[in-house]
Amino acid sequence: TQLLEQSPQFLSIQEGENLTVYCNSSSVFSSLQWYRQEPGEGPVLLVTVVTGGEVKKLKRLTFQFGDARKDSSLHITAAQPGDTGLYLCVIKSGGSNYKLTFGKGTLLTVNP
Amino acid sequence: NAGVTQTPKFQVLKTGQSMTLQCAQDMNHEYMSWYRQDPGMGLRLIHYSVGAGITDQGEVPNGYNVSRSTTEDFPLRLLSAAPSQTSVYFCASSASPPGTTEAFFGQGTRLTVV
Repeated sequence: TQLLEQSPQFLSIQEGENLTVYCNSSSVFSSLQWYRQEPGEGPVLLVTVVTGGEVKKLKRLTFQFGDARKDSSLHITAAQPGDTGLYLCVIKSGGSNYKLTFGKGTLLTVNP
Repeated sequence: NAGVTQTPKFQVLKTGQSMTLQCAQDMNHEYMSWYRQDPGMGLRLIHYSVGAGITDQGEVPNGYNVSRSTTEDFPLRLLSAAPSQTSVYFCASSASPPGTTEAFFGQGTRLTVV
């Protein structure tokens, strides 16, 4: 069973600070997605990364895919209260085209 | 755009009762899935469908049934509710196999079994 570990599990910071959260897999994956889930809502896709070493930017969010295709990171610059939420990394489950494996998420709170 | 609509949003059941969680999407997506989200466990796949008439089991299928008679609808049926099924349930749909395309999630159904 392929495992996804996310760290830290919880993160509480002040507005304006920078932060990085991590996602690590027990085995190589072909692609990885990051979703954000706000309280009382379903997850919403932020980005999909498919190439080892790939870096994608979405405004103040920078996503990196490790060269070995076993890890990914999300860096937020100058965090804002609107960034508050649960950040989930997701990969295809090994051996299946239809199943996803979710990490347990990093719960981020940005205080004004 | 409605996207993925789940009903009800909240539900309380007594142990042993049955009920159906409804999920409908208006994006003509072939792929639909049901997940449950529990504290400290992340989202876990219950059942999924790759098109009308085709369903398969996910990671935690016991106690749940699904059917897919139309592209739009993918209801999840709890056969005999148990307290262990207390959770938040999410339905998702995507145009292609999930993982490289965007999965669209509903707002969830919060179910409590007493």
